[in-house]
Amino acid sequence: NAGVMQNPRHLVRRRGQEARLRCSPVKGHSHVYWYRQLPEEGLKFMVYLQKENIIDESGMPKERFSAEFPKEGPSILRIQQVVRGDSAAYFCASSPDSRYTEAFFGQGTRLTVV
Amino acid sequence: GQSLEQPSEVTAVEGAIVQINCTYQTSGFYGLSWYQQHDGGAPTFLSYNALDGLEETGRFSSFLSRSDSYGYLLLQELQMKDSASYFCAALTGANNLFFGTGTRLTVIP
Repeated sequence: NAGVMQNPRHLVRRRGQEARLRCSPVKGHSHVYWYRQLPEEGLKFMVYLQKENIIDESGMPKERFSAEFPKEGPSILRIQQVVRGDSAAYFCASSPDSRYTEAFFGQGTRLTVV
Repeated sequence: GQSLEQPSEVTAVEGAIVQINCTYQTSGFYGLSWYQQHDGGAPTFLSYNALDGLEETGRFSSFLSRSDSYGYLLLQELQMKDSASYFCAALTGANNLFFGTGTRLTVIP
């Protein structure tokens, strides 16, 4: 019974490149959440998605960032034209319903922009 | 906006009891969760309080007072492996989980 799977675990990108982060939720979970964590800081909410729908993207920067959760396949967080400030750990969490009391987190993707 | 305040660091002795406080201010509130995160690891769920009062799960207990917008996590019989960061998180009316800034707990022998 696999948990939330994120890949890659580590990603290095040069400034201006694109970063694509993948998240496969727990089997049967249809709700996915993305968080960003800077060193020594808490988790900042970015976006909440259900299958094929963005429910809340209030925490996501307006430019360069996008997210999707297609009917088939993993959820993707895409960062275009990365800058040094995008360097962080990005965590994905999933839940079986919209009123989740327990979120299951993946191991995160650590993005480093050089 | 949403804000959850926690102490940034706490140090306690192995075998002792430690309490980590969390005060919150959110638009819409369903309950308060606590997560543990070891360095380099994923946050893992510890507890959830929807109602006022104390919830006990083994060595860990969590308390909520809605009228005071306040909760705490109580860790008893501290072990070295409890050294980690602890986050409170509020489940808000928008069905989002907003996290506090985290408390880094260091357990010393």
